[in-house]
Amino acid sequence: KQEVTQIPAALSVPEGENLVLNCSFTDSAIYNLQWFRQDPGKGLTSLLLIQSSQREQTSGRLNASLDKSSGRSTLYIAASQPGDSATYLCAVISSMDSNYQLIWGAGTKLIIKP
Amino acid sequence: DVKVTQSSRYLVKRTGEKVFLECVQDMDHENMFWYRQDPGLGLRLIYFSYDVKMKEKGDIPEGYSVSREKKERFSLILESASTNQTSMYLCASSNRIYEQYFGPGTRLTVT
Repeated sequence: KQEVTQIPAALSVPEGENLVLNCSFTDSAIYNLQWFRQDPGKGLTSLLLIQSSQREQTSGRLNASLDKSSGRSTLYIAASQPGDSATYLCAVISSMDSNYQLIWGAGTKLIIKP
Repeated sequence: DVKVTQSSRYLVKRTGEKVFLECVQDMDHENMFWYRQDPGLGLRLIYFSYDVKMKEKGDIPEGYSVSREKKERFSLILESASTNQTSMYLCASSNRIYEQYFGPGTRLTVT
C-alpha cells in the first residue's frame, strides 16, 4: 500500500534563504506526483505536477524533482519570501490504482521570517 | 486558468438539516472529487465522479451522497447533518493527466 511522508512537519527559515521540502513515497510505481500549497483556511493551489516519465518541473522560483527509484521528490524554493509561508502538500497517484486517486502526505508547514 | 468554485465559503447548519454543497468547474474536466479536511487527519476522499450521472465511493462516504447531473457541476449532500460533519469541504476537478485543481473550500459548522 502506497504511503507518502513529508518531513519535517514544520520549518522556519529567514527571508531570502533557499530551501528544500521533502516528500517520500514507499512504492516507486507512480503515475504522477503533484505539489500543492495551502494557506490557512483556504483551498489548495496546485504548484507543480511531475509525470512519471519526467525528472523535474519548474515554475518561477519553484523547482520540483522526482527520483522514482529512491521514492523521493523535493520542492526547491529559491530566495524565499514571507508570502511563501503556507503548508505545502505532496500527493502521488499510484500506477496500480485504476481509480487514479491521490495519496496524500501530511504536509510541511513553512514559515518565512521577515 | 482552471477555475473551481464552491457555492459557499462558510455555512452554519443545525443538526438534522439537509445540506447541499455545490461545486462548479469551467474547464470541461471529466473527473470531480469531494474531500473533507480535518486537523490531524488530512484530506480524505468522500466521493468522486468520472462522468455525468456516475459516482464512486471514496474512503469515507457514510452520511453523504452526491449528484452529477451536468459535467461541470458536482454536488455533495448531507442527508441529515450531524456535529461530526463539521469540517472543511474541498471540491476538486482533474484533467486527462489527473492533475487536480481545487476550489476555495466550504467551512461547514453543524450545531
